[in-house]
Amino acid sequence: GENVEQHPSTLSVQEGDSAVIKCTYSDSASNYFPWYKQELGKGPQLIIDIRSNVGEKKDQRIAVTLNKTAKHFSLHITETQPEDSAVYFCAASRNGANSKLTFGKGITLSVRP
Amino acid sequence: DVKVTQSSRYLVKRTGEKVFLECVQDMDHENMFWYRQDPGLGLRLIYFSYDVKMKEKGDIPEGYSVSREKKERFSLILESASTNQTSMYLCASSLGTGDGYTFGSGTRLTVV
Repeated sequence: GENVEQHPSTLSVQEGDSAVIKCTYSDSASNYFPWYKQELGKGPQLIIDIRSNVGEKKDQRIAVTLNKTAKHFSLHITETQPEDSAVYFCAASRNGANSKLTFGKGITLSVRP
Repeated sequence: DVKVTQSSRYLVKRTGEKVFLECVQDMDHENMFWYRQDPGLGLRLIYFSYDVKMKEKGDIPEGYSVSREKKERFSLILESASTNQTSMYLCASSLGTGDGYTFGSGTRLTVV
């Protein structure tokens, strides 16, 4: 089955700096890669996703890049703000009946004011 | 926006009690999921369902069961609650396979 890994488990950046969070996956058939943000006391929320037919996707200050050859994808946050502090989960899945997302263990991002 | 509603934010139950966690989604999603979240362990899948009256075991189904009598409602049942089931429980739904999930706000269950 699929295995998704996130490293490191915590990341601290200064406000205004960029943050990059990387995930690796094992199943070469995976073709959907979402990122979730979980704020304290809330459920995870989908913030951006990418499918395997594109290499990069942007939405304002966040972007996701995908390297299918190396089987890794990354979340990029520019001009970080304190409200970006949260736990971020990456996930991967393939198409097909009964496929489901496999999540990484999450990374805690702290943005220092 | 799709809304996934979990009936309780906080719940305290006694060891041995039968516990029902309810989840309702309002966007006609086919798929529904139950996860538990514990520090350092990420999101672990308990059960999921791709259709009414259908259920599949996830990675940690022991001690749990589920019910999906209607498309919009997916219930997680702890047959006999134990202290090691103290956790945050998250329900999610998705339109189809290969789609993103919408999560509820979670139920923090404490078993004493």
